[in-house]
Amino acid sequence: AQKITQTQPGMFVQEKEAVTLDCTYDTSDPSYGLFWYKQPSSGEMIFLIYQGSYDQQNATEGRYSLNFQKARKSANLVISASQLGDSAMYFCAMREGNPNTGNQFYFGTGTSLTVIP
Amino acid sequence: EPEVTQTPSHQVTQMGQEVILRCVPISNHLYFYWYRQILGQKVEFLVSFYNNEISEKSEIFDDQFSVERPDGSNFTLKIRSTKLEDSAMYFCASSEFGQGGNEQFFGPGTRLTVL
Repeated sequence: AQKITQTQPGMFVQEKEAVTLDCTYDTSDPSYGLFWYKQPSSGEMIFLIYQGSYDQQNATEGRYSLNFQKARKSANLVISASQLGDSAMYFCAMREGNPNTGNQFYFGTGTSLTVIP
Repeated sequence: EPEVTQTPSHQVTQMGQEVILRCVPISNHLYFYWYRQILGQKVEFLVSFYNNEISEKSEIFDDQFSVERPDGSNFTLKIRSTKLEDSAMYFCASSEFGQGGNEQFFGPGTRLTVL
């Protein structure tokens, strides 16, 4: 089974609107972390937001928020007030295991977001 | 703001040749990683490194790959005998031990082209 599943290969959103990018994960480890990264056309990977499996509240970072539904094993990224500069690939990733020991990251296949003026 | 740097930005090599990709992680970070991204595909984990040894590696990281921290600042990925399918973007990342998010900071990548 895929560790990280992103079912939306491409998404469009009108500028200033909100958009939700879906991510589901699969793990039996009680301790894990979920991440979202943005990859613009220039290729670099930019960290956006993190959610720990034991965190009680949904993570927020500026216009980014993570809708964490543990029972459903989903970690959707919500971008509010979309801007043209948000057009990029977005990757969901998961770190399994204790962060104090060796850990491995799994990435989803990504969602290409296009913001329309 | 501290950042992860990688050199070269683009490496072209002949099949069968050895390549060394270099990374300078953020100075106070203790965990280092290599990932690759074949064009148009997802990012794939290769290896993590801590305390001068490999802590995790994926099935992609076979005997032709090796990593080294030759000094206090550099972290290298060596591919001994490159194959055409090694053509990809290679990302180095580092993270600080003990931080809640264990956030990985990625370098800008090295694009490897094997001819």
